[in-house]
Amino acid sequence: EAQVTQNPRYLITVTGKKLTVTCSQNMNHEYMSWYRQDPGLGLRQIYYSMNVEATDKGDVPEGYKVSRKEKRNFPLILESPSPNQTSLYFCASSRVGEKLFFGSGTQLSVL
Amino acid sequence: AQSVTQPDIHITVSEGASLELRCNYSYGATPYLFWYVQSPGQGLQLLLKYFSGDTLVQGIKGFEAEFKRSQSSFNLRKPSVHWSDAAEYFCAVGARFSGGYNKLIFGAGTRLAVHP
Repeated sequence: EAQVTQNPRYLITVTGKKLTVTCSQNMNHEYMSWYRQDPGLGLRQIYYSMNVEATDKGDVPEGYKVSRKEKRNFPLILESPSPNQTSLYFCASSRVGEKLFFGSGTQLSVL
Repeated sequence: AQSVTQPDIHITVSEGASLELRCNYSYGATPYLFWYVQSPGQGLQLLLKYFSGDTLVQGIKGFEAEFKRSQSSFNLRKPSVHWSDAAEYFCAVGARFSGGYNKLIFGAGTRLAVHP
């Protein structure tokens, strides 16, 4: 089954403790992206990647890192999480120019 | 700068009534336009998209949307709403780059409630 898999679904952590949210897709998509969803703001793009070793900043990249060492994986790294990064995060993938497939989301709470 | 505005934060309709969700965009060129639906605790599902051609687009679950360039709008419609349509709806514009797009700009969303 074609899917984008994010883990974990829920995560509670404390300020400053490094964490990684994983994202994997099984559709051989070139394009992958991370979004955060906040009430009243919709979804905002954090980072995207057009292919392996090709990543670029979206609209709200501060405090986040990504890597794209393999085509299927696109982890989101928070080196030193802060409470303002409490949010619902979505990973998405697609062939370039085609519809996005979204993961089920990761609800992150930073205390 | 590209932007998407969904003027209605919440809408409540009765089951069986018609529905129109508004979406206005700001984009310098011909946009790619999308409507996504998010059910509680779920990811986003694509309802329909407009890339070019016929300005009235049919989607899944009985939804349609009409692209009106003169009004910079892409409103979503459904003639008869079902209780299962209660969800949050997001309009998005795809920023075009060579070979396609690599950025979706989302509106803030419209939460739809359906009364029995």
